[in-house]
Amino acid sequence: KQEVTQIPAALSVPEGENLVLNCSFTDSAIYNLQWFRQDPGKGLTSLLLIQSSQREQTSGRLNASLDKSSGRSTLYIAASQPGDSATYLCAVKVTNAGKSTFGDGTTLTVKP
Amino acid sequence: DVKVTQSSRYLVKRTGEKVFLECVQDMDHENMFWYRQDPGLGLRLIYFSYDVKMKEKGDIPEGYSVSREKKERFSLILESASTNQTSMYLCASSPGTLNTGELFFGEGSRLTVL
Repeated sequence: KQEVTQIPAALSVPEGENLVLNCSFTDSAIYNLQWFRQDPGKGLTSLLLIQSSQREQTSGRLNASLDKSSGRSTLYIAASQPGDSATYLCAVKVTNAGKSTFGDGTTLTVKP
Repeated sequence: DVKVTQSSRYLVKRTGEKVFLECVQDMDHENMFWYRQDPGLGLRLIYFSYDVKMKEKGDIPEGYSVSREKKERFSLILESASTNQTSMYLCASSPGTLNTGELFFGEGSRLTVL
């Protein structure tokens, strides 16, 4: 059974810092890995999707990497801003039509 | 822009009431999902559907049922609401086979059962 772990559970940084969020999974036979952002009381917003054949994806200040062999993904946020404060979740899908397994998320606070 | 719409953002119901949560997507996606999210328990899958009139149990289907009569609409039904079903409910959709499998979520429905 796939298990997804995100460490740390919470992270607080000063504005302007570069930071890395971690996601690890137990079964390397994945179809894709997706990073989401969730603001309090809201739904999940997709940030980046990495297919199993890819090593990384970039969008603006965000870069996500995938290392299937070690069961790890990282989300790199450059030059963090207070508006980046949110909970970040990763999700792993084993087959295209299958269900996703989610980590519990990392709650990020960026202090002005 | 892709869109998953959940009809009610906030609902307050009484114990024993029948509750319908509606979800509509405009992306012609085959797959649709219902999750609930609770502090300390993360996202848990209730039911999902691969196609019209198809449904599969997720990890916590007890106390819930679903309906998918049209491709764009996936309804979650609480036949007799109980206080332990107070939660945030999230609907999601994704395209079918030979696609990226990217998940798209709605804004969520916060249900309180008194």
